[in-house]
Amino acid sequence: DGGITQSPKYLFRKEGQNVTLSCEQNLNHDAMYWYRQDPGQGLRLIYYSQIVNDFQKGDIAEGYSVSREKKESFPLTVTSAQKNPTAFYLCASSMGQREKLFFGSGTQLSVL
Amino acid sequence: KNEVEQSPQNLTAQEGEFITINCSYSVGISALHWLQQHPGGGIVSLFMLSSGKKKHGRLIATINIQEKHSSLHITASHPRDSAVYICAVIPLGGATNKLIFGTGTLLAVQP
Repeated sequence: DGGITQSPKYLFRKEGQNVTLSCEQNLNHDAMYWYRQDPGQGLRLIYYSQIVNDFQKGDIAEGYSVSREKKESFPLTVTSAQKNPTAFYLCASSMGQREKLFFGSGTQLSVL
Repeated sequence: KNEVEQSPQNLTAQEGEFITINCSYSVGISALHWLQQHPGGGIVSLFMLSSGKKKHGRLIATINIQEKHSSLHITASHPRDSAVYICAVIPLGGATNKLIFGTGTLLAVQP
Protein backbone atom coordinates (compact mmCIF):
# COMPACT_ATOMS: atom_id res chain seq x y z
CA ASP A 1 0.00 0.00 0.00
CA GLY A 2 1.21 3.53 -0.77
CA GLY A 3 1.73 5.89 2.07
CA ILE A 4 4.05 7.80 4.36
CA THR A 5 6.02 6.09 7.09
CA GLN A 6 7.40 8.00 10.03
CA SER A 7 9.72 6.53 12.61
CA PRO A 8 10.15 6.21 15.46
CA LYS A 9 6.69 6.69 17.01
CA TYR A 10 8.28 7.98 20.24
CA LEU A 11 11.68 9.59 20.67
CA PHE A 12 13.52 10.97 23.67
CA ARG A 13 16.26 13.56 23.48
CA LYS A 14 18.92 14.32 26.05
CA GLU A 15 20.31 17.79 26.61
CA GLY A 16 22.77 18.80 23.89
CA GLN A 17 21.83 15.90 21.66
CA ASN A 18 20.80 15.98 18.02
CA VAL A 19 18.06 13.54 17.01
CA THR A 20 16.77 12.59 13.57
CA LEU A 21 13.18 11.79 12.66
CA SER A 22 12.63 9.61 9.62
CA CYS A 23 10.03 10.18 6.91
CA GLU A 24 9.68 7.90 3.88
CA GLN A 25 6.99 7.98 1.19
CA ASN A 26 6.23 5.62 -1.69
CA LEU A 27 3.57 7.79 -3.30
CA ASN A 28 5.99 9.24 -5.87
CA HIS A 29 5.18 12.72 -4.58
CA ASP A 30 7.47 15.63 -5.40
CA ALA A 31 6.62 17.83 -2.41
CA MET A 32 7.29 16.93 1.21
CA TYR A 33 6.70 18.86 4.42
CA TRP A 34 7.53 18.78 8.12
CA TYR A 35 5.05 20.20 10.63
CA ARG A 36 5.21 20.69 14.37
CA GLN A 37 2.05 20.33 16.49
CA ASP A 38 1.81 21.74 20.01
CA PRO A 39 -1.25 21.42 22.28
CA GLY A 40 -3.85 24.08 21.57
CA GLN A 41 -2.06 25.36 18.48
CA GLY A 42 -2.47 24.80 14.78
CA LEU A 43 0.17 22.91 12.83
CA ARG A 44 3.22 25.00 11.98
CA LEU A 45 5.51 24.43 9.01
CA ILE A 46 9.16 23.71 9.79
CA TYR A 47 10.65 22.90 6.37
CA TYR A 48 9.39 21.88 2.98
CA SER A 49 10.87 20.48 -0.20
CA GLN A 50 9.39 20.74 -3.67
CA ILE A 51 12.03 18.65 -5.42
CA VAL A 52 15.02 16.45 -4.69
CA ASN A 53 18.12 18.32 -3.48
CA ASP A 54 16.12 21.44 -2.71
CA PHE A 55 14.32 22.56 0.45
CA GLN A 56 13.02 25.78 1.96
CA LYS A 57 12.57 27.07 5.48
CA GLY A 58 9.07 27.28 6.85
CA ASP A 59 7.77 29.48 9.64
CA ILE A 60 9.73 27.89 12.50
CA ALA A 61 12.94 26.48 10.98
CA GLU A 62 15.34 27.65 13.69
CA GLY A 63 16.94 24.71 15.49
CA TYR A 64 16.01 22.21 12.78
CA SER A 65 17.70 20.89 9.64
CA VAL A 66 16.60 18.65 6.78
CA SER A 67 17.95 16.92 3.69
CA ARG A 68 16.31 15.66 0.50
CA GLU A 69 18.82 13.40 -1.19
CA LYS A 70 16.17 11.00 -2.48
CA LYS A 71 12.62 11.65 -3.65
CA GLU A 72 11.27 9.14 -1.15
CA SER A 73 13.03 10.44 1.95
CA PHE A 74 12.90 13.70 3.91
CA PRO A 75 14.54 13.28 7.35
CA LEU A 76 14.30 16.01 9.98
CA THR A 77 17.09 16.64 12.49
CA VAL A 78 16.22 18.40 15.71
CA THR A 79 19.45 20.02 16.81
CA SER A 80 20.61 21.03 20.26
CA ALA A 81 19.89 24.63 19.23
CA GLN A 82 16.16 23.88 19.43
CA LYS A 83 15.51 24.76 23.07
CA ASN A 84 11.92 23.61 23.22
CA PRO A 85 11.75 20.46 21.09
CA THR A 86 8.96 18.64 22.92
CA ALA A 87 6.14 18.37 20.40
CA PHE A 88 4.38 16.06 17.97
CA TYR A 89 6.05 16.08 14.54
CA LEU A 90 4.15 15.27 11.37
CA CYS A 91 5.55 14.61 7.91
CA ALA A 92 3.37 15.11 4.84
CA SER A 93 3.62 14.93 1.08
CA SER A 94 1.67 16.08 -1.96
CA MET A 95 1.89 15.57 -5.69
CA GLY A 96 2.14 19.28 -6.31
CA GLN A 97 2.05 22.56 -4.49
CA ARG A 98 -1.75 22.87 -4.55
CA GLU A 99 -2.71 19.24 -4.18
CA LYS A 100 -4.20 17.13 -1.40
CA LEU A 101 -1.87 16.40 1.51
CA PHE A 102 -1.00 12.92 2.74
CA PHE A 103 0.29 12.64 6.31
CA GLY A 104 2.37 10.16 8.25
CA SER A 105 1.36 8.89 11.69
CA GLY A 106 3.70 11.27 13.51
CA THR A 107 6.58 11.17 16.00
CA GLN A 108 6.23 12.34 19.60
CA LEU A 109 9.52 13.89 20.73
CA SER A 110 10.17 14.45 24.40
CA VAL A 111 13.14 15.77 26.35
CA LEU A 112 14.71 13.65 29.09
CA LYS B 1 -7.04 36.87 16.58
CA ASN B 2 -6.22 33.72 14.61
CA GLU B 3 -6.68 33.88 10.86
CA VAL B 4 -8.56 30.55 10.98
CA GLU B 5 -11.13 30.03 13.73
CA GLN B 6 -13.03 26.83 14.37
CA SER B 7 -16.14 26.29 16.45
CA PRO B 8 -16.92 24.62 18.63
CA GLN B 9 -13.56 23.69 20.18
CA ASN B 10 -15.10 20.62 21.80
CA LEU B 11 -18.22 18.72 20.83
CA THR B 12 -19.89 15.70 22.38
CA ALA B 13 -22.68 13.96 20.48
CA GLN B 14 -24.77 10.85 20.77
CA GLU B 15 -24.49 8.17 18.14
CA GLY B 16 -26.77 8.92 15.20
CA GLU B 17 -26.81 12.68 15.65
CA PHE B 18 -26.17 15.17 12.84
CA ILE B 19 -22.99 17.11 13.54
CA THR B 20 -21.77 20.46 12.23
CA ILE B 21 -18.29 21.89 12.69
CA ASN B 22 -17.63 25.44 11.55
CA CYS B 23 -14.57 27.20 10.17
CA SER B 24 -14.26 30.95 9.65
CA TYR B 25 -11.22 32.66 8.15
CA SER B 26 -10.18 36.26 7.73
CA VAL B 27 -7.99 36.11 4.60
CA GLY B 28 -8.78 35.60 0.94
CA ILE B 29 -8.19 32.00 0.01
CA SER B 30 -7.68 29.81 -3.01
CA ALA B 31 -8.66 26.55 -1.28
CA LEU B 32 -9.70 25.08 2.06
CA HIS B 33 -8.85 21.69 3.55
CA TRP B 34 -10.71 19.62 6.10
CA LEU B 35 -8.51 17.12 7.92
CA GLN B 36 -9.24 14.39 10.47
CA GLN B 37 -6.74 13.52 13.21
CA HIS B 38 -7.36 10.25 15.08
CA PRO B 39 -6.27 9.65 18.69
CA GLY B 40 -3.10 7.92 17.49
CA GLY B 41 -2.02 11.17 15.87
CA GLY B 42 -2.11 10.39 12.16
CA ILE B 43 -3.96 12.85 9.92
CA VAL B 44 -6.19 12.05 6.97
CA SER B 45 -7.25 14.60 4.39
CA LEU B 46 -11.05 14.56 4.07
CA PHE B 47 -11.74 17.32 1.57
CA MET B 48 -10.07 20.06 -0.41
CA LEU B 49 -12.52 22.58 -1.82
CA SER B 50 -12.59 26.05 -3.28
CA SER B 51 -16.32 26.48 -3.91
CA GLY B 52 -19.69 24.88 -3.35
CA LYS B 53 -20.08 21.53 -1.71
CA LYS B 54 -18.43 18.10 -1.63
CA LYS B 55 -19.77 14.82 -0.25
CA HIS B 56 -18.04 11.60 0.67
CA GLY B 57 -20.09 8.95 2.40
CA ARG B 58 -21.59 10.49 5.54
CA LEU B 59 -19.38 13.57 5.34
CA ILE B 60 -20.36 16.80 3.62
CA ALA B 61 -18.23 19.93 3.31
CA THR B 62 -19.52 23.29 2.18
CA ILE B 63 -17.83 26.61 1.62
CA ASN B 64 -19.09 30.17 1.15
CA ILE B 65 -16.21 32.20 -0.24
CA GLN B 66 -18.02 35.55 0.11
CA GLU B 67 -18.77 34.96 3.79
CA LYS B 68 -15.34 33.38 4.44
CA HIS B 69 -16.94 30.37 6.07
CA SER B 70 -16.91 26.61 5.69
CA SER B 71 -18.82 23.83 7.46
CA LEU B 72 -18.17 20.14 7.86
CA HIS B 73 -21.27 18.03 8.44
CA ILE B 74 -21.40 14.43 9.63
CA THR B 75 -24.68 12.60 9.16
CA ALA B 76 -25.67 9.58 11.30
CA SER B 77 -22.60 10.01 13.52
CA HIS B 78 -20.82 6.96 14.89
CA PRO B 79 -18.27 6.49 17.70
CA ARG B 80 -15.59 5.84 15.08
CA ASP B 81 -16.06 9.47 13.95
CA SER B 82 -14.49 10.56 17.25
CA ALA B 83 -11.40 12.55 16.30
CA VAL B 84 -10.02 16.07 15.99
CA TYR B 85 -11.24 17.84 12.86
CA ILE B 86 -8.92 20.51 11.49
CA CYS B 87 -9.65 23.26 9.00
CA ALA B 88 -6.78 24.74 6.98
CA VAL B 89 -6.71 27.40 4.26
CA ILE B 90 -4.37 28.26 1.41
CA PRO B 91 -4.21 32.08 1.09
CA LEU B 92 -4.78 33.64 -2.32
CA GLY B 93 -1.68 33.38 -4.44
CA GLY B 94 -0.18 30.81 -2.08
CA ALA B 95 0.48 27.11 -2.22
CA THR B 96 0.44 24.20 0.21
CA ASN B 97 3.55 25.52 1.92
CA LYS B 98 1.49 28.55 2.98
CA LEU B 99 -1.33 26.59 4.65
CA ILE B 100 -2.81 28.25 7.75
CA PHE B 101 -4.25 25.72 10.20
CA GLY B 102 -7.03 26.08 12.72
CA THR B 103 -6.58 24.64 16.19
CA GLY B 104 -9.09 21.88 15.62
CA THR B 105 -12.44 20.68 16.96
CA LEU B 106 -12.38 17.69 19.27
CA LEU B 107 -15.41 15.49 18.56
CA ALA B 108 -16.51 12.67 20.84
CA VAL B 109 -19.42 10.52 19.69
CA GLN B 110 -20.88 8.41 22.46
CA PRO B 111 -22.67 5.11 21.81
